[in-house]
Amino acid sequence: KAGVTQTPRYLIKTRGQQVTLSCSPISGHRSVSWYQQTPGQGLQFLFEYFSETQRNKGNFPGRFSGRQFSNSRSEMNVSTLELGDSALYLCASSLILGGVGYGYTFGSGTRLTVV
Amino acid sequence: AQTVTQSQPEMSVQEAETVTLSCTYDTSESDYYLFWYKQPPSRQMILVIRQEAYKQQNATENRFSVNFQKAAKSFSLKISDSQLGDAAMYFCAYRKDQGAQKLVFGQGTRLTINP
Repeated sequence: KAGVTQTPRYLIKTRGQQVTLSCSPISGHRSVSWYQQTPGQGLQFLFEYFSETQRNKGNFPGRFSGRQFSNSRSEMNVSTLELGDSALYLCASSLILGGVGYGYTFGSGTRLTVV
Repeated sequence: AQTVTQSQPEMSVQEAETVTLSCTYDTSESDYYLFWYKQPPSRQMILVIRQEAYKQQNATENRFSVNFQKAAKSFSLKISDSQLGDAAMYFCAYRKDQGAQKLVFGQGTRLTINP
């Protein structure tokens, strides 16, 4: 069974640009969560999407947004990039049954460098 | 807000020896879940072990076991018979309940295995 796939693996962008990251969950998983990992702040929750709706949101500025498609694939967008947005972005998918989450699985992440 | 603290930024152990990684957390919830994740250089977060707060028995997975002290809000990971492949960043994480898909992570402990 295929795991969680994140694309691209690496990305270099210039300050002020925008970027879109993609996450394809495990087949059948309808919940996708996003995390930002930096050496200074560690792992921080960005948001979670379930059935195309954002259910939870972390404490990040509005420049960070996301969406989920009907096939459960999710995209994360960061506009007006800042140097501090350089990070590893991880997504995780899970199966939701009766309101309970199962099989929380992470992808290998997208390494974003802002120059 | 829930917080997770790992007070050991780095640990090292001789191959085949036992090592314990510390984690404390703060929450006002009575039901929650605790996890240890391993992140090797490949970047993917791999679940090592999980503990449900309502279970008094400490979780065990082969060479990995936890010491869960609910009253003290402590959740340490013991790795027995350490192997070179155990070298990685280890993160302690908290999740509020079965339905929540947001993990709160500690800052991580870098574990080195000396041959």
